[in-house]
Amino acid sequence: DTAVSQTPKYLVTQMGNDKSIKCEQNLGHDTMYWYKQDSKKFLKIMFSYNNKELIINETVPNRFSPKSPDKAHLNLHINSLELGDSAVYFCASSQGANTGELFFGEGSRLTVL
Amino acid sequence: GQQLNQSPQSMFIQEGEDVSMNCTSSSIFNTWLWYKQEPGEGPVLLIALYKAGELTSNGRLTAQFGITRKDSFLNISASIPSDVGIYFCAGRPPNDYKLSFGAGTTVTVRA
Repeated sequence: DTAVSQTPKYLVTQMGNDKSIKCEQNLGHDTMYWYKQDSKKFLKIMFSYNNKELIINETVPNRFSPKSPDKAHLNLHINSLELGDSAVYFCASSQGANTGELFFGEGSRLTVL
Repeated sequence: GQQLNQSPQSMFIQEGEDVSMNCTSSSIFNTWLWYKQEPGEGPVLLIALYKAGELTSNGRLTAQFGITRKDSFLNISASIPSDVGIYFCAGRPPNDYKLSFGAGTTVTVRA
């Protein structure tokens, strides 16, 4: 029973398309995150929600829009995809916003052609 | 987020060796953590540290929260092939939700 699951695991699409990645956690955690990992493996925070409220909104293009319909779900929608959006996107969750003890999903590898 | 300097960037080690990696920051942190990422997987938490000077072990792994609160190190003793992966340090400053990650140390073990 996967704790943090994200779909799809792989996504190949053309420039200009709109795509979504979904994330669900069954740990009962209050806080969820989206991280981007580039080709050099650097992990960068994008967004965080605590109890469905946005608490971290890093400098990302506004083509990226997170949505948290409830505490257990955090989706990421990306409009007008660009080549530079190619990366692995990780969803994570934690018990609260003040802990660094994150549980990560397996990642969604996005390739923009 | 804060900039973390993690070193070394990569290491080739002999099976059975002890290895060490560290992370430094220009500002103080309240929490230091170490994660490991294997190919095709997300990072997994290894050790979390909450107090300056704290030394914590998890099996063959030992990590310390530096006394200045600006650094941490991770030791792996008697390395084995399954220690292969990328090890990330991470830290959280006071009064900040954001967790900053180091650039990672890639460990390759020679049998």
